[in-house]
Amino acid sequence: EAGVAQSPRYKIIEKRQSVAFWCNPISGHATLYWYQQILGQGPKLLIQFQNNGVVDDSQLPKDRFSAERLKGVDSTLKIQPAKLEDSAVYLCASNERLGPRYEQYFGPGTRLTVT
Amino acid sequence: TQLLEQSPQFLSIQEGENLTVYCNSSSVFSSLQWYRQEPGEGPVLLVTVVTGGEVKKLKRLTFQFGDARKDSSLHITAAQPGDTGLYLCAGAYGSGGYQKVTFGTGTKLQVIP
Repeated sequence: EAGVAQSPRYKIIEKRQSVAFWCNPISGHATLYWYQQILGQGPKLLIQFQNNGVVDDSQLPKDRFSAERLKGVDSTLKIQPAKLEDSAVYLCASNERLGPRYEQYFGPGTRLTVT
Repeated sequence: TQLLEQSPQFLSIQEGENLTVYCNSSSVFSSLQWYRQEPGEGPVLLVTVVTGGEVKKLKRLTFQFGDARKDSSLHITAAQPGDTGLYLCAGAYGSGGYQKVTFGTGTKLQVIP
């Protein structure tokens, strides 16, 4: 079974530029998550999709971040314009919603550096 | 958003020692997961605990869910260098059709050969 795919793996941009990240979850997984992880800290949820609907985007900085999952499969996260404090690893995860277990499977992440 | 505090934040031990990592909250969770993350990779699921008081063992790792489902612990016996990594707990909460998940603050473990 293929895992969660993310691209690109690394991205370096200047502040005020825009950037987009792509995620393809495990086949059949209805729930998809985007996280922001600062080095050495726990992941912070940015947005959670159930199929192509948004379940939780309370911590997404909506003035600069946007995400979509148009056909309920793959997803794109965009930052426009980027700030220095956006430098982090952006993780995508998916799960099947197995009752109360909520076990997530993560992609390798995209390391973003904003200069 | 429910908060999960992990302690200690950093831990550096010698190979063969035992250690315990704690994950605490004032909120109740329907389930709790433990993950390990290595540099440059995404977190990898180790275990899920669902029932209050539940204990699960995975080789040298023992996981316990608190009776009130507000806290959890991870105990490693005879740590090895391969156990080095960032350990994360994550709790699922909410009601209705969609539950939410929150991650702990993380514990960075270094096992020195």
